Amino acid sequence: GQNIDQPTEMTATEGAIVQINCTYQTSGFNGLFWYQQHAGEAPTFLSYNVLDGLEEKGRFSSFLSRSKGYSYLLLKELQMKDSASYLCAFSNTGKLIFGQGTTLQVKP
Amino acid sequence: DAGVIQSPRHEVTEMGQEVTLRCKPISGHDYLFWYRQTMMRGLELLIYFNNNVPIDDSGMPEDRFSAKMPNASFSTLKIQPSEPRDSAVYFCASSTSGRADTQYFGPGTRLTVL
Repeated sequence: GQNIDQPTEMTATEGAIVQINCTYQTSGFNGLFWYQQHAGEAPTFLSYNVLDGLEEKGRFSSFLSRSKGYSYLLLKELQMKDSASYLCAFSNTGKLIFGQGTTLQVKP
Repeated sequence: DAGVIQSPRHEVTEMGQEVTLRCKPISGHDYLFWYRQTMMRGLELLIYFNNNVPIDDSGMPEDRFSAKMPNASFSTLKIQPSEPRDSAVYFCASSTSGRADTQYFGPGTRLTVL
């Protein structure tokens, strides 16, 4: 079957670093995606990993280990505007299967 | 370039009524996806189209839900009859053939069925 799991909530301090983990199980895999969703808004694309390793994009980095079915999103130099929900999703035959999302609260 | 356009943005209706949600994808995108998001179930794929043809509708909850894409620039999701448990935010997303997995989402329609 297919399954994807991530923590429900996290809290971090402005200026700090936070890592949001995601584990998944699937028979078909074409890539791992991270989306950001602010309250009341649509999800927006953050990052995409298809090969093992770290992809860095400014303050955000994403890591993938296909053998372990594991990914994480690393947010550095946290800002108040980073308070949002972060959705992990894997791709299978053109479809995205989303996790429940991790709500990150950044505190001053 | 305009993004994905959805209408209406908010819809409040009574149980038993027909509801039609509309979506205009980004010009040139040939994949269109309909999602539903609730607190309980998160973001779920309902159906997706490629070149106006439905490819996978396994996420459509039941026969009360139907979706059409009569041309490359328009799609509808219809619920008839609506029920309170259909209350959710419905998102439409589109993507290009080469990057079918990188989807651009519309602003969503918040549906409340009383």
